Amino acid sequence: GQSLEQPSEVTAVEGAIVQINCTYQTSGFYGLSWYQQHDGGAPTFLSYNALDGLEETGRFSSFLSRSDSYGYLLLQELQMKDSASYFCAVRGSSNTGKLIFGQGTTLQVKP
Amino acid sequence: DGGITQSPKYLFRKEGQNVTLSCEQNLNHDAMYWYRQDPGQGLRLIYYSQIVNDFQKGDIAEGYSVSREKKESFPLTVTSAQKNPTAFYLCASTSRNEQFFGPGTRLTVL
Repeated sequence: GQSLEQPSEVTAVEGAIVQINCTYQTSGFYGLSWYQQHDGGAPTFLSYNALDGLEETGRFSSFLSRSDSYGYLLLQELQMKDSASYFCAVRGSSNTGKLIFGQGTTLQVKP
Repeated sequence: DGGITQSPKYLFRKEGQNVTLSCEQNLNHDAMYWYRQDPGQGLRLIYYSQIVNDFQKGDIAEGYSVSREKKESFPLTVTSAQKNPTAFYLCASTSRNEQFFGPGTRLTVL
């Protein structure tokens, strides 16, 4: 089967740093993406890693290790507005954009 | 502004009725997708289309149907064969490695 594992909930305080891990087991792998979804809203794209290493975009960074089938999303200088659900997703095919999503991690940022 | 629109935002359906959810995009993307999201869960793929007049089943296609007659439009029909249709439905399109999502339709079966 194909599966992605991520923690169901994470809590942190404003200004802190939090890391959300994702491990995957899929029949094909062409990249790991991260999406943010606020309650009741649509998911929005945060990052994409096709190669090993760290990608940085402002306060958010994403890391991938293909040999470990593992990635993480790092959020720095947490703000209250970062409270949301975060999903990792694997692109399992090179000729379609189909994504396999994890169950999501709910991040609660406290003052 | 380019984007994806879905209508209606909220939809109520009686058991045994078919209902069609609209999805329109003006991003000029070839590939479009329909996902279902249940409370506290991830997104599960219902159907996808990579090009006009072609579509493929996703992981949970039973009880759903789609059409892709125009590049801009990818409507989803929830049929009476879908046993538990109450959910949040999201339409998306793809550009390279990013999926763009519409605002979603929340379907409730009464």
